[in-house]
Amino acid sequence: GDSVTQMEGPVTLSEEAFLTINCTYTATGYPSLFWYVQYPGEGLQLLLKATKADDKGSNKGFEATYRKETTSFHLEKGSVQVSDSAVYFCALSERAGGYNKLIFGAGTRLAVHP
Amino acid sequence: NAGVTQTPKFQVLKTGQSMTLQCAQDMNHEYMSWYRQDPGMGLRLIHYSVGAGITDQGEVPNGYNVSRSTTEDFPLRLLSAAPSQTSVYFCASSFSGTQGGKLFFGSGTQLSVL
Repeated sequence: GDSVTQMEGPVTLSEEAFLTINCTYTATGYPSLFWYVQYPGEGLQLLLKATKADDKGSNKGFEATYRKETTSFHLEKGSVQVSDSAVYFCALSERAGGYNKLIFGAGTRLAVHP
Repeated sequence: NAGVTQTPKFQVLKTGQSMTLQCAQDMNHEYMSWYRQDPGMGLRLIHYSVGAGITDQGEVPNGYNVSRSTTEDFPLRLLSAAPSQTSVYFCASSFSGTQGGKLFFGSGTQLSVL
């Protein structure tokens, strides 16, 4: 079945450093791809998404580009802040029975220090 | 607007006990789902529902029951708790298939089974 693989964490960065979190996927079709973020003590929130190849999703300074040729959707940010410390989940949508279901990766914890 | 509300936030059970995790949403979403979150494994789908009276199994349904008598509520029942069910449980909802996979999550229930 479809699956998502993320780089293991934790990722520890200093404030204003460049962030990359790798995500690759396996899917039979052409799924939509997502990044969700989970702040401490909270549920997940959608950060950005891309629905077709070469689309770039962006939000709050984060970006990710849907790369069909490498089956990847890496998350990037040019200058991280302490407030970006959270767990980041890559996910893809799987169409089943007329509805979208999300398949999540294992999550990558990001810690940003001042 | 409350969004997705889960209760309780924390629960400790003894092996063999039963309990119900509550989930309610006030956004008139057709689609509701339950995930469990375990370290290193991301989120795994337990059960989901595409409308009142309709439920289906996800990736890890064993040991859990669900029902959907109203659009708003989607309780998750543990029939006979086992230590392997120690996890964080998230309820999530969405408009069915119209928002491209954007799920709205509750804040989670942390369950420990001794």
